[in-house]
Amino acid sequence: RKEVEQDPGPFNVPEGATVAFNCTYSNSASQSFFWYRQDCRKEPKLLMSVYSSGNEDGRFTAQLNRASQYISLLIRDSKLSDSATYLCVVNPSNYGGSQGNLIFGKGTKLSVKP
Amino acid sequence: DAGVIQSPRHEVTEMGQEVTLRCKPISGHDYLFWYRQTMMRGLELLIYFNNNVPIDDSGMPEDRFSAKMPNASFSTLKIQPSEPRDSAVYFCASSLRPQTVNTEAFFGQGTRLTVV
Repeated sequence: RKEVEQDPGPFNVPEGATVAFNCTYSNSASQSFFWYRQDCRKEPKLLMSVYSSGNEDGRFTAQLNRASQYISLLIRDSKLSDSATYLCVVNPSNYGGSQGNLIFGKGTKLSVKP
Repeated sequence: DAGVIQSPRHEVTEMGQEVTLRCKPISGHDYLFWYRQTMMRGLELLIYFNNNVPIDDSGMPEDRFSAKMPNASFSTLKIQPSEPRDSAVYFCASSLRPQTVNTEAFFGQGTRLTVV
């Protein structure tokens, strides 16, 4: 099983739609979770951290289910500018002794159409 | 701050040649990461440094790859000799603290390497 798995997509949705991405991780000891966004031919940028209780930032909502080792990202009222690849990111923390590591999923591609 | 600065942005080289990628992290960031991104494998961590000391190099593919951080403001990733399968986008990133909640890794714009 890969460390961080995501559906690669692409997800093609109309403007205004609600879209959800899922991600699973293999290391149950993982402590920190993030969603990064990567535009075409650009560098990844932090979208939001994922807190145990779930968190919301405007149109974006992130959820964590530790029991199922599952992370989700919900985008409401999608905009054309949301078109990008969304990377699920996990810090395995004490796994293997690495404190600063980040494990990236391969990303889910979103395309928002007019 | 100008962010993480990488050079060159693009590099095309012939198989067997030495390639050196450069990175200047954000001032004051204690952690520096080198990643490689390909379509097949996504983003992979190659190595990371804490306070200029290599902490985890388990992602370095083989002995042809080496990385150094001689001071807090500069790091290099060297490939010698380069092979076509090394073609990828190489990202450098830095962060202030370990990657816990509320800590962001800032990425440079990447170096697109093509080995022919």
